[in-house]
Amino acid sequence: KQEVTQIPAALSVPEGENLVLNCSFTDSAIYNLQWFRQDPGKGLTSLLLIQSSQREQTSGRLNASLDKSSGRSTLYIAASQPGDSATYLCAGKAAGNKLTFGGGTRVLVKP
Amino acid sequence: NAGVMQNPRHLVRRRGQEARLRCSPMKGHSHVYWYRQLPEEGLKFMVYLQKENIIDESGMPKERFSAEFPKEGPSILRIQQVVRGDSAAYFCASSTWGGEERTEAFFGQGTRLTVV
Repeated sequence: KQEVTQIPAALSVPEGENLVLNCSFTDSAIYNLQWFRQDPGKGLTSLLLIQSSQREQTSGRLNASLDKSSGRSTLYIAASQPGDSATYLCAGKAAGNKLTFGGGTRVLVKP
Repeated sequence: NAGVMQNPRHLVRRRGQEARLRCSPMKGHSHVYWYRQLPEEGLKFMVYLQKENIIDESGMPKERFSAEFPKEGPSILRIQQVVRGDSAAYFCASSTWGGEERTEAFFGQGTRLTVV
């Protein structure tokens, strides 16, 4: 059974610092891994999708890496801004289109 | 292209009533998924549907919960005889089918159910 863990649960950084968010999964038989952003009381916004055959994906200030052998994915956010404050969720997709989510990392970027 | 639309956004029900949550997938998407987010917990898979078919309902409680995705109209998640423990945010997602690796799920804003 797939288990996805995100550590730390919360993170606070000053504006301008780079953010590093970690995601680990127990079953390497994932087909892809998605990173999402969730603002309080809102839905999930898809940030990046990394296919299992890929090592990383980039979008603007965001870069996500995937290492299936070690069961890890990392989301990097360069030059953080107060608007980046949110909860970030990772989810691994197994066969059958089912996503298993981590508990999330709650990020606060202080101006 | 409107995103995944869920309604209502907020729903209050008394114990014992029925709750009906609706989800219209993104245009061109024929796969719908329901997830539940309990307070202070992560999102948990409930059910995966295609038009007129339930593909995987392994995350759905065996009693009181049902889901459908008819040929016409939105997907419906129905909770009968609600209890306080059903209070949660219910999220719908949709996707096309791009193969196992490329299938990307897009989520709605959620329906926040409060049982009083």
